[in-house]
Amino acid sequence: EDKVVQSPLSLVVHEGDTVTLNCSYEVTNFRSLLWYKQEKKAPTFLFMLTSSGIEKKSGRLSSILDKKELFSILNITATQTGDSAIYLCAAVRGSEKLVFGKGTKLTVNP
Amino acid sequence: ETGVTQSPTHLIKTRGQQVTLRCSSQSGHNTVSWYQQALGQGPQFIFQYYREEENGRGNFPPRFSGLQFPNYSSELNVNALELDDSALYLCASSSQGSRETQYFGPGTRLLVL
Repeated sequence: EDKVVQSPLSLVVHEGDTVTLNCSYEVTNFRSLLWYKQEKKAPTFLFMLTSSGIEKKSGRLSSILDKKELFSILNITATQTGDSAIYLCAAVRGSEKLVFGKGTKLTVNP
Repeated sequence: ETGVTQSPTHLIKTRGQQVTLRCSSQSGHNTVSWYQQALGQGPQFIFQYYREEENGRGNFPPRFSGLQFPNYSSELNVNALELDDSALYLCASSSQGSRETQYFGPGTRLLVL
């Protein structure tokens, strides 16, 4: 059965801290891994990772995929209160199905 | 460029009723996927539509059905509603060239009493 596990499930930090969110996956016919940020309702797209070892960056966020060990990490440096959200990891199976983890709830306190 | 839109935003139904949720895909996107997100959980894949045909389905019973129209908008229908159907229903659209990169709408919050 396809499985995506995120850790930790919840994290509370202070502004300025750096956080690392983890995502491991076991998905048949794996194609790529996606990260989303969900603040209220709509998950907003952050990254798509298809190749191992190539870091993707967007501002203070970065992410990397390890296809041998079947995991990905999302790093956020110099966290801000606006980074408070649920971060979802999804493994793409075939071309049609995203298999999501339960998410990591990040709270950044001022 | 118009993003993914969904209607209604909130809905309250009673057990046994039927519901129809609607989704308009992002401009230029021809593929629509539907997800169910229960409280505290990640979204669960229901099904995907491409060129008006179902293109993949998750572990949901047949009372969950859908349609895609020629303009790529889509409907999710749920018959014989159960209490456990209470959830946020998300629609996501993607383009033919990059179907795995899915962009989500704001969702419909369904409460079944």
